[in-house]
Amino acid sequence: DVVMTQTPVSLSVAIGQPASISCKSSQSLVGTSGKTYLNWLLQRPGQSPKRLIYLVSKLDSGIPDRFSGSGSETDFTLKISRVEADDLGVYYCLQGTHFPHTFGAGTKLELK
Amino acid sequence: EVKLLESGGGLVQPGGSLRLSCAASGFTFTDFYMSWIRQPPGKAPEWLGVIRNKANGYTTEYNPSVKGRFTISRDNTQNILYLQMNTLRAEDTAIYYCARWVGGPHYWGQGVMVTVSS
Repeated sequence: DVVMTQTPVSLSVAIGQPASISCKSSQSLVGTSGKTYLNWLLQRPGQSPKRLIYLVSKLDSGIPDRFSGSGSETDFTLKISRVEADDLGVYYCLQGTHFPHTFGAGTKLELK
Repeated sequence: EVKLLESGGGLVQPGGSLRLSCAASGFTFTDFYMSWIRQPPGKAPEWLGVIRNKANGYTTEYNPSVKGRFTISRDNTQNILYLQMNTLRAEDTAIYYCARWVGGPHYWGQGVMVTVSS
């Protein structure tokens, strides 16, 4: 299975400050189609996860452009330009290229 | 509006069976891949499997962790996704989600709790 390693495990950020989360995969996530199926999701307390980003850098509809995704092959990053209170929760990366699809262990974003 | 509503969860004894349902609405069900994902309490989600769309023959893929015990199917006349779970173990205790899959889990249901315990 592809192992998705997220760092840090937790992140304490003040409102208005930037945040960055890393996700590294144990093998390249470039599929046979040439596409890279790397997703970022946010799970707020008591809620279902919600996808923010797909195909490394494409924002889902309704997701503010404070969020951005980047990376390639095995190394990916989620950035929040200015953290807001609504951004708190656990962030997961997920690879949809190889079976079985696998999630990172999560990064908990808390307020400083 | 896309809606996914899971049902069928509850308490089941080890070795027992359970079938979860996911009622879908707000989109053309047959056009989309559908997945089941579970999340044990306090842990990260785990992808269980996917059933492809009509154009891809409704074929399935499973996580080896549940292959042979879990079966994903769909009723395309009623727009319902199913997860049949057999030979349940304590480690199957989790919230189970259905998701519409487009390169990843685009829309999620609210989830249903399954507890395996004697």
